Amino acid sequence: NAGVMQNPRHLVRRRGQEARLRCSPMKGHSHVYWYRQLPEEGLKFMVYLQKENIIDESGMPKERFSAEFPKEGPSILRIQQVVRGDSAAYFCASSPPWSPYEQYFGPGTRLTVT
Amino acid sequence: EDKVVQSPLSLVVHEGDTVTLNCSYEVTNFRSLLWYKQEKKAPTFLFMLTSSGIEKKSGRLSSILDKKELFSILNITATQTGDSAIYLCAVGLRDTDKLIFGTGTRLQVFP
Repeated sequence: NAGVMQNPRHLVRRRGQEARLRCSPMKGHSHVYWYRQLPEEGLKFMVYLQKENIIDESGMPKERFSAEFPKEGPSILRIQQVVRGDSAAYFCASSPPWSPYEQYFGPGTRLTVT
Repeated sequence: EDKVVQSPLSLVVHEGDTVTLNCSYEVTNFRSLLWYKQEKKAPTFLFMLTSSGIEKKSGRLSSILDKKELFSILNITATQTGDSAIYLCAVGLRDTDKLIFGTGTRLQVFP
């Protein structure tokens, strides 16, 4: 049973470019969460999605960030016109529908903006 | 504002020592408390606690929750160098499925 998969593991973008981060949840999990971890800080919630629905995006910056979880395929976190402050590790987690608090994390994507 | 505070921020011990990590919280609508171990990559799920006073145990690790005093502890006995990691505490809220994380305790175990 494969765990949560994220790709790419490392992503380098220049200021102003777009970053796309992908997350495939564990088999049988229908809930996906994105968290951001800045250097020397804890994980901060960004968004919670179920298939084709955004359930809670209270942690997402209002501009440049968007997320989706289509009926088919992975969840995508998209950051447009990246800035240096977006450099961070972005973690995806998934949980089964019967236990949404038991979240299992992927290996993360480390985004570096130059 | 909901918050989760962990202490100490870092801890350095020798192999064989026993350590206790603390997590206190102030949140509305508490539902559960979770402990994760983070090495170089993904946080790894350790425990989820929802009831006060019931100890959860896995090998040398154990954890307990006190919902009256709003804290949890994670104990590691007979520490090994492989226990070196950041230990994260997170709280799940009743009205949303997101987790609120503390900043973690960095544990270093030396031989």
